Amino acid sequence: QSVLTQPPSASGTPGQRVTISCSGSSSNIGSNYVYWYQQLPGTAPKLLIYRNNQRPSGVPDRFSGSKSGTSASLAISGLRSEDEADYYCAAWDDSWVFGGGTKLTVL
Amino acid sequence: QVQLVQSGAEVKKPGASVKVSCKASGYTFTSYGISWVRQAPGQGLEWMGWISAYNGNTNYAQKLQGRVTMTTDTSTSTAYMELRSLRSDDTAVYYCARDLLGWDYWGQGTLVTVSS
Repeated sequence: QSVLTQPPSASGTPGQRVTISCSGSSSNIGSNYVYWYQQLPGTAPKLLIYRNNQRPSGVPDRFSGSKSGTSASLAISGLRSEDEADYYCAAWDDSWVFGGGTKLTVL
Repeated sequence: QVQLVQSGAEVKKPGASVKVSCKASGYTFTSYGISWVRQAPGQGLEWMGWISAYNGNTNYAQKLQGRVTMTTDTSTSTAYMELRSLRSDDTAVYYCARDLLGWDYWGQGTLVTVSS
């Protein structure tokens, strides 16, 4: 069982906005930054969001992150077929902990 | 451009050890840490530990304490992860990742298969 809780799946049609939630506790999300990673099939994860809501250079502004209390969310607007991937949230909790991942399907 | 290039796939028997390398280029190696993250087949991500390339300080996941050792060679900008007493549930893809504000660059992954 993962320390952080994500829905196992999410879906949307091209152009839609989808959100992926990540629920934790006071010892992880509640007191530390949240990070989001995208993993395309057969490839290494890619950093999408750091420190709750910061985008590394090169990540489109269609991707945004937010945090409130012990939960965080990743929002993807203007959904595209190439966004179909697994998404993971991560936070520090005396070690790095992850969500179980959300498989995003673009219908 | 920043690159992390890992060593090739390994097949090991239970009880053996494996050492995976991660050669960095395109940045000042000692200015960042390296984290190791693994992913069992069809499963999620698991953090294994971190090493400072500056001074060699380490922080290992409690679950792997005593079985894992992370080192760096600053002369070749290479990080290493050694895992001992391998078990079947250590079968996974092992990734190194540059660590500062999140893991912003990743190696291509090294598949380690533990099988008798």
